[in-house]
Amino acid sequence: KQEVTQIPAALSVPEGENLVLNCSFTDSAIYNLQWFRQDPGKGLTSLLLIQSSQREQTSGRLNASLDKSSGRSTLYIAASQPGDSATYLCAVVGFQKLVFGTGTRLLVSP
Amino acid sequence: DVKVTQSSRYLVKRTGEKVFLECVQDMDHENMFWYRQDPGLGLRLIYFSYDVKMKEKGDIPEGYSVSREKKERFSLILESASTNQTSMYLCASSPTRGQNIQYFGAGTRLSVL
Repeated sequence: KQEVTQIPAALSVPEGENLVLNCSFTDSAIYNLQWFRQDPGKGLTSLLLIQSSQREQTSGRLNASLDKSSGRSTLYIAASQPGDSATYLCAVVGFQKLVFGTGTRLLVSP
Repeated sequence: DVKVTQSSRYLVKRTGEKVFLECVQDMDHENMFWYRQDPGLGLRLIYFSYDVKMKEKGDIPEGYSVSREKKERFSLILESASTNQTSMYLCASSPTRGQNIQYFGAGTRLSVL
């Protein structure tokens, strides 16, 4: 059974810092991996989707990497801003089904 | 933009009531999903559907049923609500079978008293 772990559970940084969020999964037989953002009390917004054949994806200040063999993905946020404060979730995609990590709660202070 | 709309943001019900959570998507997506989200447990899949009148159990289907009579609408039904079903419920849709991005609604926070 696929298990997805995100470390750390919470992170607090000052504005402007570059930071890395970690996601690990136990079964490397995945189709793709997705990173989401969730604001308090809201739904999920998809940030990046990495296909299993890819090693990374970039969108603006966000860069996500995937290493299937080691069961790891990282989300790199450059030059963090207070507006980046949210919970970040990774989800591993099997056929049709996503398995989610429990998220990293990020607080970026001005 | 894809829009997934959940009919209620907040809902308060009593134990034993029958509860309907509605979800509508406007992009002709084939697949629709219902999750619940609980602190420390993350999102867990309750049911999903590949097409009209089709449904598949997710990881935690007990105590729930679903209905998909039209392609754009996927309903989650709690036949007899219990306090352990107090949770945030999230609906999602994706275009076709396979490994696609899922688009989420804003969520319904259900409290069962």
